[in-house]
Amino acid sequence: EAQVTQNPRYLITVTGKKLTVTCSQNMNHEYMSWYRQDPGLGLRQIYYSMNVEVTDKGDVPEGYKVSRKEKRNFPLILESPSPNQTSLYFCASSRSGTLNTDTQYFGPGTRLTVL
Amino acid sequence: GNSVTQMEGPVTLSEEAFLTINCTYTATGYPSLFWYVQYPGEGLQLLLKATKADDKGSNKGFEATYRKETTSFHLEKGSVQVSDSAVYFCALGGSGGSNYKLTFGKGTLLTVNP
Repeated sequence: EAQVTQNPRYLITVTGKKLTVTCSQNMNHEYMSWYRQDPGLGLRQIYYSMNVEVTDKGDVPEGYKVSRKEKRNFPLILESPSPNQTSLYFCASSRSGTLNTDTQYFGPGTRLTVL
Repeated sequence: GNSVTQMEGPVTLSEEAFLTINCTYTATGYPSLFWYVQYPGEGLQLLLKATKADDKGSNKGFEATYRKETTSFHLEKGSVQVSDSAVYFCALGGSGGSNYKLTFGKGTLLTVNP
């Protein structure tokens, strides 16, 4: 089954404790992206990747890092989480970065709480 | 820059009622327009899309027409069901400086009562 998986689905942590949210897709997609969803703000892009070793900032990259060492994986790293990073995070992938034609597939989301 | 404005929710309807969720956009160039749906506890799924002016996207009884003259992409369904209860997001992509991301509206929560 074609899918985007994220782990963990739920995470409660404390300020400053480094964490990684994993994202994996099994569709051989070139493009992957991270979004955060906050009430009243919709989804905002954090980072995206056009292919292996090619990443770029989205609208709200501060406090986040990403890497794309393999095509299928695109982990999101919070080196020193803060309470304002409490949010619902979605990973997405598509065949290419041509988003006016390609469909983006979303993972189930990771709900992160930073105390 | 690009932006999407959709009607504020929540929207509460009875089963079999007519649904309209308004969406307007601002963009340079010729974006594609999308409606995504998020069911409770799940990720977003593409509901329908339109890639050029006057295109009509449709799926599962939902429809939306890409109106360039009014910069709108309103979502409609003639008879909603309880199973349509979800959050609906309007989005645009592939335009100007936003070739590599989707710009989303804030989402509209729809609740359909039996």
